[in-house]
Parts: sequence; C-alpha cells; structure tokens
Amino acid sequence: EAAVTQSPRNKVAVTGGKVTLSCNQTNNHNNMYWYRQDTGHGLRLIHYSYGAGSTEKGDIPDGYKASRPSQENFSLILELATPSQTSVYFCASGDVGGADAEQFFGPGTRLTVL
Amino acid sequence: GQQVQQSPASLVLQEGENAELQCNFSTSLNSMQWFYQRPGGSLVSLFYNPSGTKHSGRLTSTTVIKERRSSLHISSSQTTDSGTYLCALDPGTGSNRLTFGKGTKFSLIP
Repeated sequence: EAAVTQSPRNKVAVTGGKVTLSCNQTNNHNNMYWYRQDTGHGLRLIHYSYGAGSTEKGDIPDGYKASRPSQENFSLILELATPSQTSVYFCASGDVGGADAEQFFGPGTRLTVL
Repeated sequence: GQQVQQSPASLVLQEGENAELQCNFSTSLNSMQWFYQRPGGSLVSLFYNPSGTKHSGRLTSTTVIKERRSSLHISSSQTTDSGTYLCALDPGTGSNRLTFGKGTKFSLIP
C-alpha cells in the first residue's frame, strides 16, 4: 500500500512568517506533487517534481517555493505567508508513465495564516 | 474553459439505491483517476482507469475515451458511502499532473 505522510498536520502561522510543509513517501515514486484544496476552487496544483533536485511550477505557484532534496522528501515553502494561503494542503506521489501513474495522497495539512 | 466537468454537484439517495456519477473531459486523456473524500479527510484512490471498465466491490468505473466521459457507479449504496467523490484527469505527458473536477457530494438517507 502506498504511503505518503505529511507534517505538520495542523499549523497556525502569522502573516509575514515563514512556513515549511513537509512530505515523505516510501513508495520510491519519481513524481511528487503539492496541491491545495479550497471550497469553490477544488484541488489545484502548486508545484511538482520529477525526482531529487527537480521542482516545477504547477497551476498556482505564486507565493510558494518547493524543494526536493531526495527521492523521498518534498517540501513546500511559504517565505512570506499571507491570509490568502489559508487552506488545506495535500502532497501526493506517483510513478511516471502511461498505464501505472496512479497518484497516492497524504493526509493533508490544515494551514491557518492569521 | 473547464477541462473536467463533474456531475451532478450533489446527489441525495436512499440507502440501497444505485448512484451514477459522471465526468466529462475536453482534453486528451491518459487516464481518469477517481477519489473518495470524507469531510476533513484525505483523498482515497478508488480507480485509475485509462479505458474500459473496472470493478471493485460495489464500485464500477467506466472510461470511454471516444465519448470523452468517465463514470463511477455505486450499487446498493450504504450510509458509509456518504462523502465527496472526485474525478481527476491525467493527461500523461511525463508529469502526470492531475486536473480535478469540482466533485460530487453524495448523501444517503437511511
């Protein structure tokens, strides 16, 4: 069974502060993803990665940076958090390819920026 | 325009009835992935279906590329099936980045 974990599970931050969300996967998947989920917008892709050292912009990358130091770990960084970044953040991992690229999601991180 | 259109937005049925959820897509598809989500919960993958029909217990997923649609059928629905069902289009292209539908909120009346 795919295993994706996230930390912290809940976070309260202040406006202008730095926030780092962490994700770890034990599936040895090449691809990893960060999404946010908001009422009215659904799930949207922020950043993704093809492997260690790689980060790519998704659909809504502004205000976010990502880091992939290893195959297992993928972080999302908010350098200057704003209240509009209050959301639930999900990390996912998946294999590259055509028929077997199913994505598996972590439990989510609920971030509140005051 | 929206690449993945999911319908209905909400569905209320009595326990024991069958449910049909639909996703229509307008771009090229490598596969459609279906998820289940409880309120406040994570996304649980139900199917990764590039084409044809797949079964898992009371759930059936059918993807018809030519007709640009994918469906999820829930037979003999139970109260534990309540929650939100999401479809997500995987275009392939190496990144396999998903584009999600807005979801179907499914509720059961006992």
